[in-house]
Amino acid sequence: GQQLNQSPQSMFIQEGEDVSMNCTSSSIFNTWLWYKQEPGEGPVLLIALYKAGELTSNGRLTAQFGITRKDSFLNISASIPSDVGIYFCAGQSANAGKSTFGDGTTLTVKP
Amino acid sequence: NAGVTQTPKFRVLKTGQSMTLLCAQDMNHEYMYWYRQDPGMGLRLIHYSVGEGTTAKGEVPDGYNVSRLKKQNFLLGLESAAPSQTSVYFCASRKTGGTYQETQYFGPGTRLLVL
Repeated sequence: GQQLNQSPQSMFIQEGEDVSMNCTSSSIFNTWLWYKQEPGEGPVLLIALYKAGELTSNGRLTAQFGITRKDSFLNISASIPSDVGIYFCAGQSANAGKSTFGDGTTLTVKP
Repeated sequence: NAGVTQTPKFRVLKTGQSMTLLCAQDMNHEYMYWYRQDPGMGLRLIHYSVGEGTTAKGEVPDGYNVSRLKKQNFLLGLESAAPSQTSVYFCASRKTGGTYQETQYFGPGTRLLVL
């Protein structure tokens, strides 16, 4: 089946630093999604990307849909303590909107 | 508008027992999904439904059954629980499928421990 490789697995950064994480796939996806999950909660959608090459921002978050449609990255600028959580990328196919998830990047922000 | 709700929040089962997890959404969404999340991993699709009365297998369907008798409910059943099914189960719903610009909404999860 389809697999996503998400890196890094974890990050420990100082408040105010910028963060970058990415996902690569052996398959092409029609949509790339970035979620954040906090302890005891379900994933919450942060950014959705629908076109190859698309660059989309949501506040301090910026994500891009790779030209090859096989990769995506997420940047967080000027991190704050509430950015702590697990960030997941997901590739979505046109078949019933099914999503394939990466294994997540755990972000820790030190005040 | 409660969004996506899951019942129960937490359950402990013995090997071989059966149980049903309930997912309910009040957004009139057509598509519903069941995922499992194991420690340190992303979500993996178990089964999904594209409408009332229809279900289909996802990536990891073995050991699970589902039913979508009503549009707002999607049930996940474990007929004979195994320790390998210890996981956190998430339900999600979406207005429609395909590449339309729509958000997939997740429930809060059900934590299942099989002893």
